[in-house]
Amino acid sequence: DAGITQSPRHKVTETGTPVTLRCHQTENHRYMYWYRQDPGHGLRLIHYSYGVKDTDKGEVSDGYSVSRSKTEDFLLTLESATSSQTSVYFCAISESKGSGTEAFFGQGTRLTVV
Amino acid sequence: GDSVTQMEGPVTLSEEAFLTINCTYTATGYPSLFWYVQYPGEGLQLLLKATKADDKGSNKGFEATYRKETTSFHLEKGSVQVSDSAVYFCALSSPNKGSYIPTFGRGTSLIVHP
Repeated sequence: DAGITQSPRHKVTETGTPVTLRCHQTENHRYMYWYRQDPGHGLRLIHYSYGVKDTDKGEVSDGYSVSRSKTEDFLLTLESATSSQTSVYFCAISESKGSGTEAFFGQGTRLTVV
Repeated sequence: GDSVTQMEGPVTLSEEAFLTINCTYTATGYPSLFWYVQYPGEGLQLLLKATKADDKGSNKGFEATYRKETTSFHLEKGSVQVSDSAVYFCALSSPNKGSYIPTFGRGTSLIVHP
């Protein structure tokens, strides 16, 4: 199994509070992604990173920020959590050496905003 | 932009029945195509892939053929088992600003009864 660890695995937080989710990899893969999974929507890309300090927005980036100060860590921050951000968040990594490269996923973080 | 459309679920089958989950895509260029599977409480994992037209990906009795003329990548299995119950995601990867970012369909839940 690819070495990807997400923390925390579960979190309940109150509306308006900041939340940071962490993704840690031991594979030295260049690309890291944050997706959210919601019923009826599948997986939607929030942000991704193609190297240290290199990040870009996905299709649902509003309300989220990311940082990557080391190859192995990719942080997702909700500056002020809202109920619409209740979701399951997945981190994924890939080498992205070409279109046939697969992505490897973490176990997910279930976030509930009350 | 790129997109993937897959049939809505849930798909409910009896053990040993034939499975088809339809997937069609829209992409510029020549994407690679993937099927990922998500078992309850877990992240996604690669099931099979195909990187060019007419390629057939196969794994664990599942198959899918890359059909460029119909822009499709339908998943099939001749005889499903209870252990195949999971959510199946069709995905594509094509170049975008020099990156190969996976784009996922909404997922199709498969329930197999004994």
